[in-house]
Amino acid sequence: DAGVIQSPRHEVTEMGQEVTLRCKPISGHNSLFWYRQTMMRGLELLIYFNNNVPIDDSGMPEDRFSAKMPNASFSTLKIQPSEPRDSAVYFCASAPDGGRPYEQYFGPGTRLTVT
Amino acid sequence: DAKTTQPNSMESNEEEPVHLPCNHSTISGTDYIHWYRQLPSQGPEYVIHGLTSNVNNRMASLAIAEDRKSSTLILHRATLRDAAVYYCILSGGGSNYKLTFGKGTLLTVNP
Repeated sequence: DAGVIQSPRHEVTEMGQEVTLRCKPISGHNSLFWYRQTMMRGLELLIYFNNNVPIDDSGMPEDRFSAKMPNASFSTLKIQPSEPRDSAVYFCASAPDGGRPYEQYFGPGTRLTVT
Repeated sequence: DAKTTQPNSMESNEEEPVHLPCNHSTISGTDYIHWYRQLPSQGPEYVIHGLTSNVNNRMASLAIAEDRKSSTLILHRATLRDAAVYYCILSGGGSNYKLTFGKGTLLTVNP
């Protein structure tokens, strides 16, 4: 079975540019999460979707960040405009139905570098 | 949020058992105990979870103290592929989706 798919795997962009990260969750999973990992702050939850609806976006850093889930098989995380402090590895994770949102399956991550 | 305390690092030899401890003295009655691990350059990987009773799966065993204030992840025969950062996480109640990853324990496996 295919796991969580993220693209691109690496992104290098200049400050001020728009960045879009993409995620395809595991088929049949109804929960989707975006995380960010840095050396300084560790792994942080940015946003949680359930059945395509954002449930908890309290971790989204600021208005420059936005996330969408237009359907059950696709989600995007957009940063506009990007800043050097956004450099991090961004992970998408999905979880199955059945009341087990803590059993999360992570993708390989997108390493974002903003210069 | 209830917090967990883990050793920063541990070492093991290949093919020997590994016991990774976690203290969670402020755990509430509805908190689940989760273990994840993160191999180098990969995303975190779910290992096991439990509430009160000990749990076994194909990857590991989870031993939970009777008072639930501590738990131990047991890898029965460590392999080089088990070298990773292991995270002990609590979640529960209405926010059982919320996994707060701390610094974890860096496990080194010696050949």
